[in-house]
Amino acid sequence: DQQVKQNSPSLSVQEGRISILNCDYTNSMFDYFLWYKKYPAEGPTFLISISSIKDKNEDGRFTVFLNKSAKHLSLHIVPSQPGDSAVYFCAAIPHEVSGKLIFGQGTTLQVKP
Amino acid sequence: EPEVTQTPSHQVTQMGQEVILRCVPISNHLYFYWYRQILGQKVEFLVSFYNNEISEKSEIFDDQFSVERPDGSNFTLKIRSTKLEDSAMYFCASKRVPAENIQYFGAGTRLSVL
Repeated sequence: DQQVKQNSPSLSVQEGRISILNCDYTNSMFDYFLWYKKYPAEGPTFLISISSIKDKNEDGRFTVFLNKSAKHLSLHIVPSQPGDSAVYFCAAIPHEVSGKLIFGQGTTLQVKP
Repeated sequence: EPEVTQTPSHQVTQMGQEVILRCVPISNHLYFYWYRQILGQKVEFLVSFYNNEISEKSEIFDDQFSVERPDGSNFTLKIRSTKLEDSAMYFCASKRVPAENIQYFGAGTRLSVL
């Protein structure tokens, strides 16, 4: 099942620079997209989301962009901080009653001081 | 801040044994989920539960699995006869109402089947 794909297993950036995490999906019926952050020994923590009717959502240092024609979304973190080092999961919600999340494989972000 | 609580944090069991993983969702939440993550793989949906019944289950959620909300606070996942391949992190999640999209996750239970 490859409906949501994060093709970069890892990303390393310098503190203060921009981090860009990418996510591709195959199902055009996805209604809603979310980014979760996960630290070791913790569960995924909600970060930011976007509805399929929008192309951008911003919350502080975090911005998510959605390109529906390309079935692609990205998470921008500006400026990156060492505390942002974590695994980032992209997730999608299909248009179904249960609201289940379909996750990508995750990208491990390391922000170097 | 309210949170989803899962116990135990680590469960070790012998193959063929029954295990019960426990979750206390956020108190005013009505929709509950179980997910699992096998080491090195994606987080996968197992089951969703609303209004005291399963609303959706995945292919993984076969007859060996069951869920229950035995009282007003707990939400449990039972694996009747564990297999080696059931070894994974199991995450419980909840959300307030069906129309809401954001799910809140617990820290997970690491299940090790020997």
